[in-house]
Amino acid sequence: NAGVTQTPKFRVLKTGQSMTLLCAQDMNHEYMYWYRQDPGMGLRLIHYSVGEGTTAKGEVPDGYNVSRLKKQNFLLGLESAAPSQTSVYFCASSKLAVTGELFFGEGSRLTVL
Amino acid sequence: QKEVEQDPGPLSVPEGAIVSLNCTYSNSAFQYFMWYRQYSRKGPELLMYTYSSGNKEDGRFTAQVDKSSKYISLFIRDSQPSDSATYLCAIGGGATNKLIFGTGTLLAVQP
Repeated sequence: NAGVTQTPKFRVLKTGQSMTLLCAQDMNHEYMYWYRQDPGMGLRLIHYSVGEGTTAKGEVPDGYNVSRLKKQNFLLGLESAAPSQTSVYFCASSKLAVTGELFFGEGSRLTVL
Repeated sequence: QKEVEQDPGPLSVPEGAIVSLNCTYSNSAFQYFMWYRQYSRKGPELLMYTYSSGNKEDGRFTAQVDKSSKYISLFIRDSQPSDSATYLCAIGGGATNKLIFGTGTLLAVQP
């Protein structure tokens, strides 16, 4: 079982460049999430989706956009990357919202120079 | 005040020790309490899930919730080097439909 797959796993960007992180899940989950993890800050929610075609802002949404055109995919976009967006990004999915177990991908390490 | 506070550690213990990991939270409406384990360069995975006050045991792991004190704990008995990881508490419920994570505690179990 693939579970949650994130691509790419590593990326280096220059300030001002754009990129898209792709998350795919094969568990038919309704809920999908994008988190960033920074030292001393824990996991912070960027954006989330409660179903195909829906997106909502999380705790730290500025500088990011998302799309959920297909139920199994959740894309995270950086329009103009900044050094402050250097982080490890995790995608997760769940069958239920708060009460459900989150299944995480292995992470995407992004460095913005 | 953060909604969820967790001692970041790091915590280093000898193999076989009992480990206690803790989180406090501020919102008494929270109802769901989870512990995730995250190995280095991997995504977190659910370890324990509790809904009510009291204890829940799973093998060497015990999750404890004290709603009156807004305090949750994870105990690891007979710790093993394979338990070396970051442990994150996650709490949710009430008005929010999202989980709030603690910052994580880095645990190293020395053989």
